Amino acid sequence: AQSVTQPDIHITVSEGASLELRCNYSYGATPYLFWYVQSPGQGLQLLLKYFSGDTLVQGIKGFEAEFKRSQSSFNLRKPSVHWSDAAEYFCAVYDYKLSFGAGTTVTVRA
Amino acid sequence: EAQVTQNPRYLITVTGKKLTVTCSQNMNHEYMSWYRQDPGLGLRQIYYSMNVEVTDKGDVPEGYKVSRKEKRNFPLILESPSPNQTSLYFCASSLSPTYSYEQYFGPGTRLTVT
Repeated sequence: AQSVTQPDIHITVSEGASLELRCNYSYGATPYLFWYVQSPGQGLQLLLKYFSGDTLVQGIKGFEAEFKRSQSSFNLRKPSVHWSDAAEYFCAVYDYKLSFGAGTTVTVRA
Repeated sequence: EAQVTQNPRYLITVTGKKLTVTCSQNMNHEYMSWYRQDPGLGLRQIYYSMNVEVTDKGDVPEGYKVSRKEKRNFPLILESPSPNQTSLYFCASSLSPTYSYEQYFGPGTRLTVT
C-alpha cells in the first residue's frame, strides 16, 4: 500500500527566509503526489500536484516542489516565507484514494 | 461561490448521544468523502461516496455512518459517540471518482466527546 512520511513535525522559520518541507513516499509505480496547506481554522487547500513530466512543479502562493524518484521524495520549497505561510502542510499520494502524511506545522517568526 | 460547507463547526457532546454533522457542496460534484484529522496521524478517510446512493468504507469507518440521498449532501452520523471520536472532521468533494485526487475541502468540524 502507498504511504507518505513527513519527517519534520514542526519547523520554525524567520520571515523572509527560505523554507523546505520534506516528504518521502512509498509507492510501486509512478505516484500522483500532492501538497496541501491548512491555515488555522481553514480546510485544506491544494498547493500543487505532480503526475508526470517535469520534476519541478510550480504551485500557488509561490511554492514549488521537486520530485526525485531516486530518493522517493517530493519536497516542498519556498524561497522567501511570509508570515501568512504559517500553517500545517500535508503531503499526499494518490492510488485511487488520497493517503496523507502526518503533516508539518510551520511557524514563522518576525 | 464554489464551496463545501459543514455544520456545525464546533460541537461538544456526551458519550452515547447521537449526532449528525452535515456536509453540502454546491459544485455538482459526484465524489464526496469524510476524513478525520488527529495529531501525528494526518487525515484518515472514514467513508466516501462515488455518487448518489453509492457509499463505501474508508480506512477508519468503525463507529460512523453516512448516507448519500442527494448529490449535494453527505452527512456523517455518529450513532453512539465515544471519547475516541474526539477529532477534527473534514468533508471533501471532487468532480468525479476519476478526479478524486483533487478534492475541495470544507472548513472542518471540531468534535469533542466527553
